[in-house]
Amino acid sequence: DAMVIQNPRYQVTQFGKPVTLSCSQTLNHNVMYWYQQKSSQAPKLLFHYYDKDFNNEADTPDNFQSRRPNTSFCFLDIRSPGLGDAAMYLCATSRARQGTDTQYFGPGTRLTVL
Amino acid sequence: GQQVMQIPQYQHVQEGEDFTTYCNSSTTLSNIQWYKQRPGGHPVFLIQLVKSGEVKKQKRLTFQFGEAKKNSSLHITATQTTDVGTYFCAPPGLTGGGNKLTFGTGTQLKVEL
Repeated sequence: DAMVIQNPRYQVTQFGKPVTLSCSQTLNHNVMYWYQQKSSQAPKLLFHYYDKDFNNEADTPDNFQSRRPNTSFCFLDIRSPGLGDAAMYLCATSRARQGTDTQYFGPGTRLTVL
Repeated sequence: GQQVMQIPQYQHVQEGEDFTTYCNSSTTLSNIQWYKQRPGGHPVFLIQLVKSGEVKKQKRLTFQFGEAKKNSSLHITATQTTDVGTYFCAPPGLTGGGNKLTFGTGTQLKVEL
């Protein structure tokens, strides 16, 4: 089945130690998104790629970076995780960026920062 | 930034009771999507509403888009334990256009036997 896969499902890192989360998709979608969801809050968009075109949200901290080496894969790099970065990180994809294009979410990676 | 408010924030019901969550925006929306997130899970797309006054049904779920396209509602008839989760409305295009979603504040539903 076509799907969005995130690895690992759970990640523990130390304060200030760089960490990379990965997302892959078999949907062949053009757009990939990264969201941050803190406990009891709604998902918040960090950035997205439309093909190779990177689109950052204005309020996304510089500590968060992303890479998309090919259509199938997208990575979220947190350069120096702080305690406030502990959250669920959700990857999503969509076929295009039309307002009617729905998004398909992966299972998420729960990040713990010690 | 743009905010999309949902009420109530939490709802506890007995199995078999009805449930409604309301979604309100200060701006006119092009369309609105609804997602369900089970505890510990990820958002799953439920439905999209596009037309003013549109009503769509999925089994026990009824979705409505307001005439002014500024609000929407989700009604569940005769809740079951499988309905437990957080329901988010998510209009696309509020921040910079396209299909970037702005998730509403969500309504967490708990269903007790």
